Amino acid sequence: GAGVSQSPSNKVTEKGKDVELRCDPISGHTALYWYRQSLGQGLEFLIYFQGNSAPDKSGLPSDRFSAERTGGSVSTLTIQRTQQEDSAVYLCASSPEPPGPTYNSPLHFGNGTRLTVT
Amino acid sequence: AQTVTQSQPEMSVQEAETVTLSCTYDTSESNYYLFWYKQPPSRQMILVIRQEAYKQQNATENRFSVNFQKAAKSFSLKISDSQLGDTAMYFCAFGPEREIIFGKGTRLHILP
Repeated sequence: GAGVSQSPSNKVTEKGKDVELRCDPISGHTALYWYRQSLGQGLEFLIYFQGNSAPDKSGLPSDRFSAERTGGSVSTLTIQRTQQEDSAVYLCASSPEPPGPTYNSPLHFGNGTRLTVT
Repeated sequence: AQTVTQSQPEMSVQEAETVTLSCTYDTSESNYYLFWYKQPPSRQMILVIRQEAYKQQNATENRFSVNFQKAAKSFSLKISDSQLGDTAMYFCAFGPEREIIFGKGTRLHILP
């Protein structure tokens, strides 16, 4: 079946512009994560959506970053007034169940969007 | 704070050799899961193996196995009979919480 789809795969933008990154999770997956992977760094948690619950935004690095998930499916990560330090690969992942004491489902990742801010 | 530490930024081994990637973590939780993910140059993160903290038996998936030492909070990955296709970044990850925490990764090169 179809996996997690992210678009665009690559995005080059000028400093100060806004960008939108899209994630289509696997159908039926209730949990959705956004991570940022900077060069030489691990995966930095950004935001987590679970069903219709309020998202966990604790990882967003600044108020220039926001994300929404419409209808419990597609998610969009928006970065306003981009800065060069925003350059990274942005990874989206989904899971059929939320984490918890019986969590046993791996995260299914998309191929990411490579964002370059010039 | 919960953390995951991978102390080996980069490793190289010859094809067919065995290699061990180390991972330590810090948590006050008693029930959790640990994962190893592989990220080849395609950027696609792929689950390699997972371990439930309440299980004492180490998980094994074909050539991949873990050495889980709960008291030491250590979760190393052993790759036996390494293959060229094993060349990738390997990430150790800890859960379950709302935030699945990843280490910084180990870049593994399998040399022909």
